Amino acid sequence: AQTVTQSQPEMSVQEAETVTLSCTYDTSESDYYLFWYKQPPSRQMILVIRQEAYKQQNATENRFSVNFQKAAKSFSLKISDSQLGDAAMYFCACEYGNKLVFGAGTILRVKS
Amino acid sequence: NAGVMQNPRHLVRRRGQEARLRCSPMKGHSHVYWYRQLPEEGLKFMVYLQKENIIDESGMPKERFSAEFPKEGPSILRIQQVVRGDSAAYFCASSPPGLLGSEAFFGQGTRLTVV
Repeated sequence: AQTVTQSQPEMSVQEAETVTLSCTYDTSESDYYLFWYKQPPSRQMILVIRQEAYKQQNATENRFSVNFQKAAKSFSLKISDSQLGDAAMYFCACEYGNKLVFGAGTILRVKS
Repeated sequence: NAGVMQNPRHLVRRRGQEARLRCSPMKGHSHVYWYRQLPEEGLKFMVYLQKENIIDESGMPKERFSAEFPKEGPSILRIQQVVRGDSAAYFCASSPPGLLGSEAFFGQGTRLTVV
């Protein structure tokens, strides 16, 4: 069975500093996509960043970037210059076939 | 272009009643996915539908749960004879044909509470 593991139930970061959220996954597929979603208290699922597995270059979206280690099946999210609005639950997900498999999530708290 | 619309946002049902959750995909999207989020957990895949077809229902409980996406109208997730364990947030997502690599756009979810 495909699995996605987020080993950090909760993380804290000081405003303006950098934080890294960890994610590992398990798949036998050669071509797949990885995602980080943000879920604020409103419960809306917001796509933060997407990585295609066949691309070696790490994806970047403004203050968000990933460290994709395909051999290690690791896909961590780095948030630079953290802002209060970044406080949310973050989910790592892997696309298998026509479904997304999500990790259990990491709560990110941002301290002012 | 309206996003994925789910209604109701909140639904309270007594044990044994039926719950109907509705999802209208984004304009131009013909594929709908339903996910369930239990408290303190990530989203779990339930079912993937195209218009008038169930493509993958591997995540659906074998009993009491059904889903449809008719030619006209929204997709419906139906839960019969609800039990307390069905209390969760149910999310719908839609995408253009073929999810691989596409962004799945999520609705805001329906929070079902069974009392």
